[in-house]
Amino acid sequence: EAGVVQSPRYKIIEKKQPVAFWCNPISGHNTLYWYRQNLGQGPELLIRYENEEAVDDSQLPKDRFSAERLKGVDSTLKIQPAELGDSAVYLCASTRRGGRPYNEQFFGPGTRLTVL
Amino acid sequence: KQEVTQIPAALSVPEGENLVLNCSFTDSAIYNLQWFRQDPGKGLTSLLLIQSSQREQTSGRLNASLDKSSGRSTLYIAASQPGDSATYLCAVRRSTSGTYKYIFGTGTRLKVLA
Repeated sequence: EAGVVQSPRYKIIEKKQPVAFWCNPISGHNTLYWYRQNLGQGPELLIRYENEEAVDDSQLPKDRFSAERLKGVDSTLKIQPAELGDSAVYLCASTRRGGRPYNEQFFGPGTRLTVL
Repeated sequence: KQEVTQIPAALSVPEGENLVLNCSFTDSAIYNLQWFRQDPGKGLTSLLLIQSSQREQTSGRLNASLDKSSGRSTLYIAASQPGDSATYLCAVRRSTSGTYKYIFGTGTRLKVLA
């Protein structure tokens, strides 16, 4: 079974530029999460999708961040415009309802964003 | 508000030693707790998941315990190896119906010396 796929793995941009990250969850996983992880910290949830519906986006800075999950499979997270403080690793994770182990999260390798 | 703390922040041990990593949480109303390892520059790899009704889970040299009443979980690593060097994170999921939000600790950075 293929794992969670993310691209790109690394991205360096100048501030005020736009950037987008892509995630393909494990096949059959209906729940998808986007996290941001700052250096030396644990991941913090940005947004959670159940199928194509964003059911928890309370932590997403909506003035500059947006996300979509068309057709309930792949997802894209966008930042426009990027700020210096957005430099972090952006992680995507997915889980499957039911089955065992129940609600275990599987993570992708992440996208390391550097804003100059 | 749920807060998750991991102590120590960093740990260095000689190869072969048995060790315990700690995870504390402030709200005992959790649905499950998951332990992860993260290698430098990589994503998180799931190690063990403990449901709130369980007391422990085992996988190979790893054993995770859960004491909800005291708000603690421990990850026991037996006979540590240099390949175990990584950052270990715990995450708790709240038990509120329909809530799938996981709160992560800041991790314990483990180095096993050959």
